[in-house]
Amino acid sequence: LAKTTQPISMDSYEGQEVNITCSHNNIATNDYITWYQQFPSQGPRFIIQGYKTKVTNEVASLFIPADRKSSTLSLPRVSLSDTAVYYCLVGDMGYGGSQGNLIFGKGTKLSVKP
Amino acid sequence: EPEVTQTPSHQVTQMGQEVILRCVPISNHLYFYWYRQILGQKVEFLVSFYNNEISEKSEIFDDQFSVERPDGSNFTLKIRSTKLEDSAMYFCASSVPLGEQFFGPGTRLTVL
Repeated sequence: LAKTTQPISMDSYEGQEVNITCSHNNIATNDYITWYQQFPSQGPRFIIQGYKTKVTNEVASLFIPADRKSSTLSLPRVSLSDTAVYYCLVGDMGYGGSQGNLIFGKGTKLSVKP
Repeated sequence: EPEVTQTPSHQVTQMGQEVILRCVPISNHLYFYWYRQILGQKVEFLVSFYNNEISEKSEIFDDQFSVERPDGSNFTLKIRSTKLEDSAMYFCASSVPLGEQFFGPGTRLTVL
């Protein structure tokens, strides 16, 4: 599985756009990039997944450059409730893990302030 | 919206005791998983289960652990003889083939 590197923490203010970048230099051809969100004392929650270029849903956008060695999760106009840990996962089963199991790193702890 | 449920929300047990953590996956899902998260650490994969058998397991999932789908709705994780280091949040997840995994709210296991 490709190793991922993301910042340990980020701070932001309400209403700002937040971009969290993840490096995955050893991403394989069949790998997808998936982001999960985790609030304290809750299970992780799927946010978005992509293979290349740009993907957008009602929650976030995911930007993937042509070489796919990194990806950026973009959260538009964050609110206090977006304070959480965000995990970048890379794997070849379509949703972040080899053979279906998810391999989580330490994630990025996003703190949104008023 | 369908969701994964887990019981109990908090389980306290004595070291050496057996515990069973219960999960009700989303009804049309076929793949089931257990993960754990020690306080302040990352989420770790334990085991995946499909077609009534284990698909994959991690090094953490040793002989003290077992999983079972006793009926058409429940999915359980049993720890035979709990150790202090088993204290963690245990998350159940389920998915359709190649689908996103939906996680439950977790069971906090405290071993004294």
